[in-house]
Amino acid sequence: TQLLEQSPQFLSIQEGENLTVYCNSSSVFSSLQWYRQEPGEGPVLLVTVVTGGEVKKLKRLTFQFGDARKDSSLHITAAQPGDTGLYLCAFHRDDKIIFGKGTRLHILP
Amino acid sequence: DTGVSQDPRHKITKRGQNVTFRCDPISEHNRLYWYRQTLGQGPEFLTYFQNEAQLEKSRLLSDRFSAERPKGSFSTLEIQRTEQGDSAMYLCASRTTGTRGYGYTFGSGTRLTVV
Repeated sequence: TQLLEQSPQFLSIQEGENLTVYCNSSSVFSSLQWYRQEPGEGPVLLVTVVTGGEVKKLKRLTFQFGDARKDSSLHITAAQPGDTGLYLCAFHRDDKIIFGKGTRLHILP
Repeated sequence: DTGVSQDPRHKITKRGQNVTFRCDPISEHNRLYWYRQTLGQGPEFLTYFQNEAQLEKSRLLSDRFSAERPKGSFSTLEIQRTEQGDSAMYLCASRTTGTRGYGYTFGSGTRLTVV
C-alpha cells in the first residue's frame, strides 16, 4: 500500500512555463517533506511543511501543506532546465523517512 | 566534512556473486540508514543503525542481505548470491537524533547492475 500518491508520475514542459505537482494521502501527517533527486545522485531536502495550510517559498518553488495535513503541493513558476529531476514527497514515521514514488520532471530548453 | 560518501558509485556483477558496499556518514551523525531505489520508484527503507546497533530491518532485506556498522562510524551492506532483481541504486543516509526537520543527508548512492 502506497501511503503517499504523487501525481503526475511524469511531466515534460517547456522552459518558462508554470507547473504544479501533488502529493496526496488519506492519512494525516505531522509534517511532510519535499526532496529533489537529480540523476545519479541522492535526494536533497528542499523543505519541511509542518502546519496545516502552511505555504513556504524557495525562490521560484512554492510548497503548500493542506489544511487537513493530508496532502501537499509544489508549484514551480517559470520552470528552468535546472529544475529537471525527480521530486519526492516523504514523511517521517517510526524513526525513518517514507517516500512516495515521485514525479519525474523534465524541463525542455 | 564533505557529507555522506558511498563507495563504489557503480558496480556490475554477475548473478550469484557477492557484493559489498560501503557508506561513510557525516562524522557526528549517530543514525545511519540504507535505502534501495529501483527505476520509477522512490527510495525504499532497508535498515538503520543507531551507533553500532542495528535497530530495524525491513522485510525487503532478505537473508541474502546483511548490514553492519561495527564501530558506529562507517557501514557496509553485503548482498550474497546476487540476483537480477537486486539491480538498483543503494542509498545511504545519516542524521543526528533530535534534529529539527529530521535532517537526513543522503549519499550519491551505489548503482548495482546484476547481469
